[in-house]
Amino acid sequence: QQPVQSPQAVILREGEDAVINCSSSKALYSVHWYRQKHGEAPVFLMILLKGGEQKGHEKISASFNEKKQQSSLYLTASQLSYSGTYFCGTEGGANNLFFGTGTRLTVIP
Amino acid sequence: DTGVSQDPRHKITKRGQNVTFRCDPISEHNRLYWYRQTLGQGPEFLTYFQNEAQLEKSRLLSDRFSAERPKGSFSTLEIQRTEQGDSAMYLCASSWGAAEAFFGQGTRLTVV
Repeated sequence: QQPVQSPQAVILREGEDAVINCSSSKALYSVHWYRQKHGEAPVFLMILLKGGEQKGHEKISASFNEKKQQSSLYLTASQLSYSGTYFCGTEGGANNLFFGTGTRLTVIP
Repeated sequence: DTGVSQDPRHKITKRGQNVTFRCDPISEHNRLYWYRQTLGQGPEFLTYFQNEAQLEKSRLLSDRFSAERPKGSFSTLEIQRTEQGDSAMYLCASSWGAAEAFFGQGTRLTVV
């Protein structure tokens, strides 16, 4: 039930954009996105519910296509502070929360 | 409220010993999750409570692992007869319903 994320890793220069994808083999009720910095706990970014909505958080936004059971996280004009590992969490019918394997994002000057 | 707290932050134990970890969720949260995370991997689901009821337990979890959440407040995760493969960060998270989950700082377990 673990969602699959791609890419596994990406390196960006400051100001560049990135897209991180998350897909599940199960029907989804919601998708959560988190960022984790080395040695710290995952920090919540946003949650998307059924309905194909798109949300934004400053220069970070996400979309959720429930029919395709996919979500994408968009990072625009990346900043050094965006570096970290991004995880998607998917919630299916049982109301539990499964996380993907993560995408390591490195932003360099 | 200071968020989700976990205790201890670090635990070193000898193989074969039992260990118990505690998680205090955000007080009004009804859901509580336990995850295990190893280096370079995502949080691996272990178990999940809604109030005091344990609703799901990972099939990957051996019988050496048990969790409780008495009265729907704090939770404990016990690992019996620890093995070196149990070495990992154990994360607890809580949420109100399907809203965002907040993570604690985790308990790092090292089995020697």
